[in-house]
Amino acid sequence: DAGITQSPRHKVTETGTPVTLRCHQTENHRYMYWYRQDPGHGLRLIHYSYGVKDTDKGEVSDGYSVSRSKTEDFLLTLESATSSQTSVYFCAIRPSGESTDTQYFGPGTRLTVL
Amino acid sequence: QKEVEQDPGPLSVPEGAIVSLNCTYSNSAFQYFMWYRQYSRKGPELLMYTYSSGNKEDGRFTAQVDKSSKYISLFIRDSQPSDSATYLCAMSAGNYGQNFVFGPGTRLSVLP
Repeated sequence: DAGITQSPRHKVTETGTPVTLRCHQTENHRYMYWYRQDPGHGLRLIHYSYGVKDTDKGEVSDGYSVSRSKTEDFLLTLESATSSQTSVYFCAIRPSGESTDTQYFGPGTRLTVL
Repeated sequence: QKEVEQDPGPLSVPEGAIVSLNCTYSNSAFQYFMWYRQYSRKGPELLMYTYSSGNKEDGRFTAQVDKSSKYISLFIRDSQPSDSATYLCAMSAGNYGQNFVFGPGTRLSVLP
């Protein structure tokens, strides 16, 4: 499972509240990613990180921010949650040192915004 | 036109059948091609990986890439009920995952 954990696994929150999701990895991988998965859209990249304090936007970054203060943790924050952010959120890592371009995923966080 | 097209299914087959899953894409820069399996309420699990064109076999699974036609396939031989899942194709031009693109997935049911 590439040593990735996500917390919380499930969350229900109300519109307008801030939410932070955590991704934790144990194998010192440099590259980490946040995706959301919605029916009909597949997996879409929100933000990614290529090192501590180094992050960049993905395809659907509006309304989300990220932080990476330690190699092992990548946080995704919804500053003011909206119902359109109801989704399943997956964290992924790209294994370090590999010449291939593959990603391995965490178990996901199911977020419902009422 | 979407960058990656995949028939969402659902696809139902009897146990023991050969299953063919396919994706087409439009970006000729893609070089890395992956297939992920995703069980209900779980994260995607990397199943097969192929670089550039050609075939790759792993047990009951065979991945094919035809870059000239921009078409990739996953074949499952002797399908089992445990193969029932959603299969996602994914592809990348390299560049450390910044341009990783996924298909929407095909839902497969293998009936005993």
